[in-house]
Amino acid sequence: DVKVTQSSRYLVKRTGEKVFLECVQDMDHENMFWYRQDPGLGLRLIYFSYDVKMKEKGDIPEGYSVSREKKERFSLILESASTNQTSMYLCASSLADRDNQPQHFGDGTRLSIL
Amino acid sequence: AQTVTQSQPEMSVQEAETVTLSCTYDTSENNYYLFWYKQPPSRQMILVIRQEAYKQQNATENRFSVNFQKAAKSFSLKISDSQLGDTAMYFCAPRGNTGNQFYFGTGTSLTVIP
Repeated sequence: DVKVTQSSRYLVKRTGEKVFLECVQDMDHENMFWYRQDPGLGLRLIYFSYDVKMKEKGDIPEGYSVSREKKERFSLILESASTNQTSMYLCASSLADRDNQPQHFGDGTRLSIL
Repeated sequence: AQTVTQSQPEMSVQEAETVTLSCTYDTSENNYYLFWYKQPPSRQMILVIRQEAYKQQNATENRFSVNFQKAAKSFSLKISDSQLGDTAMYFCAPRGNTGNQFYFGTGTSLTVIP
């Protein structure tokens, strides 16, 4: 089974801090994704990556950056955390060019910015 | 980007009864794939069922089945013999054939009542 591991289940940070959310997958998937999940808004894509060192902006990239130095690891960075970034963050991975293959999700990180 | 509409934010069903969750989407592509995901409370998002748009036969996975109407761009999920473990958020997610991106609806919160 695919395992997508997010480094923290719960995280509390202060406004202005630089925050790192880490995600690791163990199935050699090319694609990795970061979503933000808010009530009534569903999942919104922040960034995705289809290869090492490659990244694409999603629907809401403002205030975030990402890093993919190794195939198995995809990091989400909040450069200067703000209270409106309090949310549930989900990481996912999938095979490239396998259109019928689903995304596999981590458990999520519930981030609170105080 | 595709638009995905789940018009029922919340639903409830009696245990052992049948419930249908609706999903409509907007795409200009002819070949694509559609997925339903389930997110139980405080647990990981998992795949429920998938449908390939070029197949006319509706997908079925045990108690879960879809009603796929390609012309109407409708992809509803039917859960038969509802069980308490079906209580979860359900997300509809089409995936385009020309990219790696999934598009998620806002979700339907389903509660199975004992």
